[in-house]
Amino acid sequence: GAVVSQHPSRVICKSGTSVKIECRSLDFQATTMFWYRQFPKQSLMLMATSNEGSKATYEQGVEKDKFLINHASLTLSTLTVTSAHPEDSSFYICSASPARWRSSYNEQFFGPGTRLTVL
Amino acid sequence: ELKVEQNPLFLSMQEGKNYTIYCNYSTTSDRLYWYRQDPGKSLESLFVLLSNGAVKQEGRLMASLDTKARLSTLHITAAVHDLSATYFCAVYLYGQNFVFGPGTRLSVLP
Repeated sequence: GAVVSQHPSRVICKSGTSVKIECRSLDFQATTMFWYRQFPKQSLMLMATSNEGSKATYEQGVEKDKFLINHASLTLSTLTVTSAHPEDSSFYICSASPARWRSSYNEQFFGPGTRLTVL
Repeated sequence: ELKVEQNPLFLSMQEGKNYTIYCNYSTTSDRLYWYRQDPGKSLESLFVLLSNGAVKQEGRLMASLDTKARLSTLHITAAVHDLSATYFCAVYLYGQNFVFGPGTRLSVLP
């Protein structure tokens, strides 16, 4: 159980275009999903916390108008990178916390990641 | 602000040897997680440590937590090549969610 999927797994786009990444919890409901960015050989940096039915909470330094997050249902969150530039090229990973476990140990289950390359 | 450090950042060891990775954090927390990441892949959950003195073992890996010292260890026993990966610890703090350490890149040599 506790499987999280991401789509697409890899995307290459031209500078200036927008890219949408989907994150789905396949066998559980997730009231909270998280979006991380990871540059090569670096750690994960939390970008934003996405709560179903409400606005996302962005970490300091993350542009909310550039990285649009929508948590439309208990199993789906999307991250849209608007007007992408080469410096946005990175590995984007989402995670989800099962609703029923949220008060216990806040475990997160990670998606397989999306590698974005902006030319 | 919660800061998480790992030591060492790079570790090259021979098969059959033992070693320990250390994870220090700056603010009191009783929730610590260890993850493994293979190149180009996402994170695989290894251990969840929820209380002071917690110890968990899975195969050749054993993790422990000392909340008073703000220290967790990941001990590798008789390393094998398949353990080569990057290992992250992460600390949960209410209001800050997960903060990850920088990762320890482990290479196990034959």
